[in-house]
Amino acid sequence: DAGVIQSPRHEVTEMGQEVTLRCKPISGHNSLFWYRQTMMRGLELLIYFNNNVPIDDSGMPEDRFSAKMPNASFSTLKIQPSEPRDSAVYFCASSYDTNSEAFFGQGTRLTVV
Amino acid sequence: EDQVTQSPEALRLQEGESSSLNCSYTVSGLRGLFWYRQDPGKGPEFLFTLYSAGEEKEKERLKATLTKKESFLHITAPKPEDSATYLCAVQAGSHYKLSFGAGTTVTVRA
Repeated sequence: DAGVIQSPRHEVTEMGQEVTLRCKPISGHNSLFWYRQTMMRGLELLIYFNNNVPIDDSGMPEDRFSAKMPNASFSTLKIQPSEPRDSAVYFCASSYDTNSEAFFGQGTRLTVV
Repeated sequence: EDQVTQSPEALRLQEGESSSLNCSYTVSGLRGLFWYRQDPGKGPEFLFTLYSAGEEKEKERLKATLTKKESFLHITAPKPEDSATYLCAVQAGSHYKLSFGAGTTVTVRA
C-alpha cells in the first residue's frame, strides 16, 4: 500500500481565497483524521471520521473550515475564506479502527498571504 | 483535559552516546501511549504503542517503556540517521483522538 496520500504537498494562496486539501486513506482503514501542525500549538486534531461519518468536529477552528468524506477512499478539508493565520501544515491520518495506531500522510504545507 | 509533556525539548548526542527521552502524561483512563518519529518535511511515522504499565517494546536502537505516569524512549548507541523529532501521544477514556506532546528534537552528530 502506498500509505496515506495527500495533495497538494504545497499550497500558496491569497487571503480570502478558497482552499481545498485532499486525502486518500489507506485501503481498509475505517477511521480518518485531519490534524493541523504549527510551531506554536503542535499537532491538533481538527476532525475525525469513522466509516465515512463525521464523529467529532470540535477541533475545527471556525465555520470557515469544513470537511467531507464522500466515500471510504477520499476526504477533503476546505477553508473558505482563507486567512493568514490558517498557514500551517495539515496532515491527514487513517487507522484500521479507533483503537489502532494512526498512519499519517506527508502533509500539505499551506501558506496564506 | 489530557496533558502530555515531553522533555527535553532538544537533545544533541554524539554518535554512540545513549540517552533517554521522557513523556509524562496526566489523563483519566489511559487506553494507549504512542510514539512517533517525524523527519523534517514529513508526516509522523508510527513507532510503538504501549498499553499498560510495565510494558516495553523495542525496535532496532529504540526501546519504549511505560509507567503509570510517564513513558521513556531509550536510544541506544544512536546513529546520525536517528536524528528526528520524537513525538509522544496518548489516547484516553472514551476519546478516540491522540493528544500529542510538543516533541523532542534529537540531533546525533557523527
